[in-house]
Amino acid sequence: EPEVTQTPSHQVTQMGQEVILRCVPISNHLYFYWYRQILGQKVEFLVSFYNNEISEKSEIFDDQFSVERPDGSNFTLKIRSTKLEDSAMYFCASRPSGGLEQFFGPGTRLTVL
Amino acid sequence: DQQVKQNSPSLSVQEGRISILNCDYTNSMFDYFLWYKKYPAEGPTFLISISSIKDKNEDGRFTVFLNKSAKHLSLHIVPSQPGDSAVYFCAARRLSGGYQKVTFGTGTKLQVIP
Repeated sequence: EPEVTQTPSHQVTQMGQEVILRCVPISNHLYFYWYRQILGQKVEFLVSFYNNEISEKSEIFDDQFSVERPDGSNFTLKIRSTKLEDSAMYFCASRPSGGLEQFFGPGTRLTVL
Repeated sequence: DQQVKQNSPSLSVQEGRISILNCDYTNSMFDYFLWYKKYPAEGPTFLISISSIKDKNEDGRFTVFLNKSAKHLSLHIVPSQPGDSAVYFCAARRLSGGYQKVTFGTGTKLQVIP
């Protein structure tokens, strides 16, 4: 069964460093999403992406964040200068055209020291 | 701005009994409601959904009820099994400019005791 994959599973970085979180969505899906979950809190929407552009973003998704689909398979989230409060689980999700359900990856745990 | 609320952070139920997980929302623009289940170290997985024009949707042991006037929905699991132990997220979808945005609740951790 096709699934969304994410790498790395755990990323540790120093405050102020740039990180890139990678996702491979399900191959025939057209809509892509990033969410984050700070420990003990709810899953929060960050950004949605369709047709090579951002379709919606939350107030969390400020200028420090960017997303890219550099090729036909990867979908990346870049955090330019990480802050301590960026420490969270980051989930990628994808959805087929016309579908309701979003399929989530296993997440990347980002720890900012 | 908590548009989707799950007021019970945890719930314990005996195996074989009914589990009832509750969710409240504030935004009347939501057109679909979804329940996701999450095991530790895994991403959320879709469980069941309901359209805002329905009041009940059933799938095997899982039934979701929607009370639109009260802006309340609930997930019933009957009978509960130990494998159902997980965090359950209520989520609500709205369309914005043709794109969908999903808002999640804070989750309820269900423990089914054998």
